[in-house]
Amino acid sequence: KNEVEQSPQNLTAQEGEFITINCSYSVGISALHWLQQHPGGGIVSLFMLSSGKKKHGRLIATINIQEKHSSLHITASHPRDSAVYICAVGAGNKLTFGGGTRVLVKP
Amino acid sequence: NAGVTQTPKFRILKIGQSMTLQCAQDMNHNYMYWYRQDPGMGLKLIYYSVGAGITDKGEVPNGYNVSRSTTEDFPLRLELAAPSQTSVYFCASRQQGNTEAFFGQGTRLTVV
Repeated sequence: KNEVEQSPQNLTAQEGEFITINCSYSVGISALHWLQQHPGGGIVSLFMLSSGKKKHGRLIATINIQEKHSSLHITASHPRDSAVYICAVGAGNKLTFGGGTRVLVKP
Repeated sequence: NAGVTQTPKFRILKIGQSMTLQCAQDMNHNYMYWYRQDPGMGLKLIYYSVGAGITDKGEVPNGYNVSRSTTEDFPLRLELAAPSQTSVYFCASRQQGNTEAFFGQGTRLTVV
């Protein structure tokens, strides 16, 4: 069993829809990261959080430490949000990655 | 600040050839990482370093070597390339503690 599980693996939405991506992990962590990978491959950090909730523009990330679960929400989705979203957990010196969620937002 | 710079962006190797993937960061980060990303799979840790002169194996170190002689540079060496090493390689860095990770643009390596 992977230490970090993401769901769904793939998601298609219509422009304007609310999107939720889930991440569950099985290890103790110091922080959880949400990353975005666009076609073409570059990876950028969206959020790093160790408790509660963070918001940046139309993106919201939440974490429940007791349940070992995090969600990434995209409000009013737009075709430019189409990307792979990756959850990673930090423990000690390392980051362990989930398999990613491929999101396609259709106009 | 250039951030994390990886070179080359693309490379084709023949089986048995060797090469070095370069990674440099200008943020004075002490932690640096090499990952590989296979199609449809998550990033797997190859090697990491917590500071100059200190390196350690990750999940998939076989067939690779690293060195960290300076804070800025963390090259990844493939000695005898094999088709199983066809992948996209990412270098990343971050500061110690709960800090944001920064990634290079990736190196797409094909071994034929």
